[in-house]
Amino acid sequence: DTGVSQDPRHKITKRGQNVTFRCDPISEHNRLYWYRQTLGQGPEFLTYFQNEAQLEKSRLLSDRFSAERPKGSFSTLEIQRTEQGDSAMYLCASITGQGKEQFFGPGTRLTVL
Amino acid sequence: AQKITQTQPGMFVQEKEAVTLDCTYDTSDQSYGLFWYKQPSSGEMIFLIYQGSYDEQNATEGRYSLNFQKARKSANLVISASQLGDSAMYFCAMRERLTGGGNKLTFGTGTQLKVEL
Repeated sequence: DTGVSQDPRHKITKRGQNVTFRCDPISEHNRLYWYRQTLGQGPEFLTYFQNEAQLEKSRLLSDRFSAERPKGSFSTLEIQRTEQGDSAMYLCASITGQGKEQFFGPGTRLTVL
Repeated sequence: AQKITQTQPGMFVQEKEAVTLDCTYDTSDQSYGLFWYKQPSSGEMIFLIYQGSYDEQNATEGRYSLNFQKARKSANLVISASQLGDSAMYFCAMRERLTGGGNKLTFGTGTQLKVEL
């Protein structure tokens, strides 16, 4: 069990560019979450997958954001036409169907210049 | 909507002393779960302890214990025998049901703990 991994760990991009992040959950975990954490705040929920189905999206997830989990394993989060307000830490978490605590990855820190 | 309040932006404690980090919550649900996570400067969220709303005893995990007072809607984290490695950001969180069947976590704003020699 290698834990939840995320790639890249850091991303610096210019405003208007598209970026994509990847999350690999713990292998037997069928539920996967994306959170966003801005400076001085706790993480905020963005979206949730059960297997390959995206079952819930926060209103924080604007039309520029899209997430996928095509085979029910890894997930990607894409941000199109990035804005400076998108600068944040993007955290992925996974959990089994019966588990109580979510296991978090190390996060991807995005800086939009 | 559920809400978590952490009123201590920063706390200092001397090594080997105990420290209490405050957390209050607001929910209309009868069944809920409360969590504490630790976030070092590296960024990863590390699960520390869980308390279910129907658990009769306060949760304990090694040096961590949760002082759960249901009527006051508080779930304070107590860290005993503080160590330098305990210096980190600490978040209180509540599990909230999603319509799709899963649960999301709602976090407070965190408390930055600094352990001093």
